[in-house]
Amino acid sequence: TQLLEQSPQFLSIQEGENLTVYCNSSSVFSSLQWYRQEPGEGPVLLVTVVTGGEVKKLKRLTFQFGDARKDSSLHITAAQPGDTGLYLCAGAARYSGNTPLVFGKGTRLSVIA
Amino acid sequence: DVKVTQSSRYLVKRTGEKVFLECVQDMDHENMFWYRQDPGLGLRLIYFSYDVKMKEKGDIPEGYSVSREKKERFSLILESASTNQTSMYLCASSYPLTSGGSLPKNIQYFGAGTRLSVL
Repeated sequence: TQLLEQSPQFLSIQEGENLTVYCNSSSVFSSLQWYRQEPGEGPVLLVTVVTGGEVKKLKRLTFQFGDARKDSSLHITAAQPGDTGLYLCAGAARYSGNTPLVFGKGTRLSVIA
Repeated sequence: DVKVTQSSRYLVKRTGEKVFLECVQDMDHENMFWYRQDPGLGLRLIYFSYDVKMKEKGDIPEGYSVSREKKERFSLILESASTNQTSMYLCASSYPLTSGGSLPKNIQYFGAGTRLSVL
């Protein structure tokens, strides 16, 4: 069974601080996705990383896929209250075909103004 | 824009009732999924479907069933609701990984969720 471990589970920081969220597994994934879920809504895709070592930037958010495609990180620079939400990573199995995504349990981020 | 619509945002039901949660997507996605989301447990897959009239059990299918009579609609059924089924239920849809061309494969689009309380 493939598992994705996210850390930390909770994070409360002041506006302007930097933070990193980690998503780790002992399994290899063909791709990793990051979603953000705001209160009362469903998760929404932020980014997909596919190649080992890949780095993608989305404004103040930087996503990295590990060289071995077993882990990923999300770094937020100068966090703002609008970044508050639940961040979920999700992996597609290496030979997935129609295998569902594996989701981490999420990191709940609170950015205080 | 992709739209996944869940029929109710909030539901309150009694123990033993039969409960139907409906989900409709407008992107002609082959894949549809039902999850429940609980604090500390994350998203747990209940059932999924890769085609009309086709269903596969997820990680926690006990106490649930599903129906997919049309491609755009995927229903989750609680045959006899119990208090431990109180949860947030999320529906999602996606193109399969095998989709051709530039389609956004394997990206899940979620509905806004149904918060179900079973009393």
